Amino acid sequence: NAGVTQTPKFQVLKTGQSMTLQCAQDMNHEYMSWYRQDPGMGLRLIHYSVGAGITDQGEVPNGYNVSRSTTEDFPLRLLSAAPSQTSVYFCASSYNREDTQYFGPGTRLTVL
Amino acid sequence: AQSVTQLDSQVPVFEEAPVELRCNYSSSVSVYLFWYVQYPNQGLQLLLKYLSGSTLVKGINGFEAEFNKSQTSFHLRKPSVHISDTAEYFCAVSALYNNNDMRFGAGTRLTVKP
Repeated sequence: NAGVTQTPKFQVLKTGQSMTLQCAQDMNHEYMSWYRQDPGMGLRLIHYSVGAGITDQGEVPNGYNVSRSTTEDFPLRLLSAAPSQTSVYFCASSYNREDTQYFGPGTRLTVL
Repeated sequence: AQSVTQLDSQVPVFEEAPVELRCNYSSSVSVYLFWYVQYPNQGLQLLLKYLSGSTLVKGINGFEAEFNKSQTSFHLRKPSVHISDTAEYFCAVSALYNNNDMRFGAGTRLTVKP
């Protein structure tokens, strides 16, 4: 198993550009989440999904969209990037509500 | 919603000394509790978790944590640390039956000195 994979590893955007951060898992996990990590603030939940076709907002959803068309993939879209979205983004997945969340290696995003 | 406070942002210790990283949580419902470790430029790795049952939880790499419901705490301990334990440690909480709405503390940077 590759586990949770994220692409790209690094990305630089200009303000106003759009992009999609990719996340995929090959463990047949129903639950998937996106977090952002900022210095001194730990990880904050952006959006999560409890299965294909079902998504919900987390703590900091503004400026981000998600969809879940398959069990394996959970992309995160920035429609109009802002400097405040400069962060490290982590995707995570788990089999069910009580199971351990497995984290991807992260995407470091810089918005100029 | 739940919240987590990690009481120390940095903890320096000498090799082979004991260490305690403190975590308090707040929630109006029953919770699951977690400790994760993050090594430089890597993702998070689960150290241990409390779901139910015994309040003393043992994890990987010799770490353990104790759930104290009355004090709403979940402190992480290790009796003797190694240089390789140098990392960022995160405490996290999620509501029972909603593990994906997980809230993290700000992190504690543990630095083990020779």
